[in-house]
Amino acid sequence: GESVGLHLPTLSVQEGDNSIINCAYSNSASDYFIWYKQESGKGPQFIIDIRSNMDKRQGQRVTVLLNKTVKHLSLQIAATQPGDSAVYFCAQAPGTYKYIFGTGTRLKVLA
Amino acid sequence: DTAVSQTPKYLVTQMGNDKSIKCEQNLGHDTMYWYKQDSKKFLKIMFSYNNKELIINETVPNRFSPKSPDKAHLNLHINSLELGDSAVYFCASSQATGRRETQYFGPGTRLLVL
Repeated sequence: GESVGLHLPTLSVQEGDNSIINCAYSNSASDYFIWYKQESGKGPQFIIDIRSNMDKRQGQRVTVLLNKTVKHLSLQIAATQPGDSAVYFCAQAPGTYKYIFGTGTRLKVLA
Repeated sequence: DTAVSQTPKYLVTQMGNDKSIKCEQNLGHDTMYWYKQDSKKFLKIMFSYNNKELIINETVPNRFSPKSPDKAHLNLHINSLELGDSAVYFCASSQATGRRETQYFGPGTRLLVL
């Protein structure tokens, strides 16, 4: 079946270091990919997205890389801060009204 | 101002009961969704509605019946609640432009079936 999976369920990073969260997806038809951040007790919050005609997109302290050849997506967070501690989800959109979420990676920022 | 709101935030009920969760968005979006997040944080889409019409039903039991009275509201009614229905239910909305668009999520409704 379709899946979007993450390599590491929990990632611990020292404050100030860079974080890299990885995601593998299986549906080649997907042309839109999104990263969400979910803090405890809250709904997922949009971080950054990328369309399949791009391989890199940068935001404020975040960068998303898309490798369509190996169906891999990554989220890089520069200078990780305590406020970045959360569960991060990648999602793919194989259709206009359909989104498939990955299993999530918990990011722990160590002081 | 809350973009996507849900009520109630918490819902504790007995097995077999019928309950409803309400969702409203003030973003002017055309499309709304319901997701279920289980205890392992896995998020799965249940329904997609566009302009009050059901677009996607991801093989959800027919005990779950979404209703969209207008574009800004998408409610979820659940009949004969089961223990396995315990989860966090998220409503979301997005603009429908013919392209894939960002979804905005509500704060979630934590449902516990006893």
